[in-house]
Amino acid sequence: EPEVTQTPSHQVTQMGQEVILRCVPISNHLYFYWYRQILGQKVEFLVSFYNNEISEKSEIFDDQFSVERPDGSNFTLKIRSTKLEDSAMYFCASSRDGRYNEQFFGPGTRLTVL
Amino acid sequence: DAKTTQPNSMESNEEEPVHLPCNHSTISGTDYIHWYRQLPSQGPEYVIHGLTSNVNNRMASLAIAEDRKSSTLILHRATLRDAAVYYCILRDPNNNDMRFGAGTRLTVKP
Repeated sequence: EPEVTQTPSHQVTQMGQEVILRCVPISNHLYFYWYRQILGQKVEFLVSFYNNEISEKSEIFDDQFSVERPDGSNFTLKIRSTKLEDSAMYFCASSRDGRYNEQFFGPGTRLTVL
Repeated sequence: DAKTTQPNSMESNEEEPVHLPCNHSTISGTDYIHWYRQLPSQGPEYVIHGLTSNVNNRMASLAIAEDRKSSTLILHRATLRDAAVYYCILRDPNNNDMRFGAGTRLTVKP
């Protein structure tokens, strides 16, 4: 069964450094998403991406964040200058369609900012 | 933020049915009701969704009140593997985001 994959599983970085989190969505999916979950808190929507552009973003997704689909398979989330409060699990998801179809989530990348 | 209300936690015995309630009194006519769950140390997983009619799939059933102000996720026979946080989410077809609430933490006792 096809699945969303994410690398790395755990990323440790120093405050102020740039990080890139990588995701490979399911191959015939057209919509891509990033979410984050701070330890012990709820899952928070960050951004949705369709047709090579952002379709929605939350108030969390500020100028420090960017997303890219650099080739036909990868979908990346870049945090330009990490802060301590960026420490969280980051989940990538994809869906075949946008609004009604189920989203398939990856296993997540745990980001630790020191 | 989230427009749904769910109990913080529920307990069930293994192999018994579980009814997980969700209130969404401000639901709009076009909002879909989606349920996801998150097993420990995993990403969320789709369970089921519906608009007006009750829905069944291999994982669960979704019962939607006639006025659509509440719904119930039904697990017909809970297993230990069903222990998870269950999220009831309203999805506006005009938006391409999905907003999670705190969900219901389901504990299944052997």
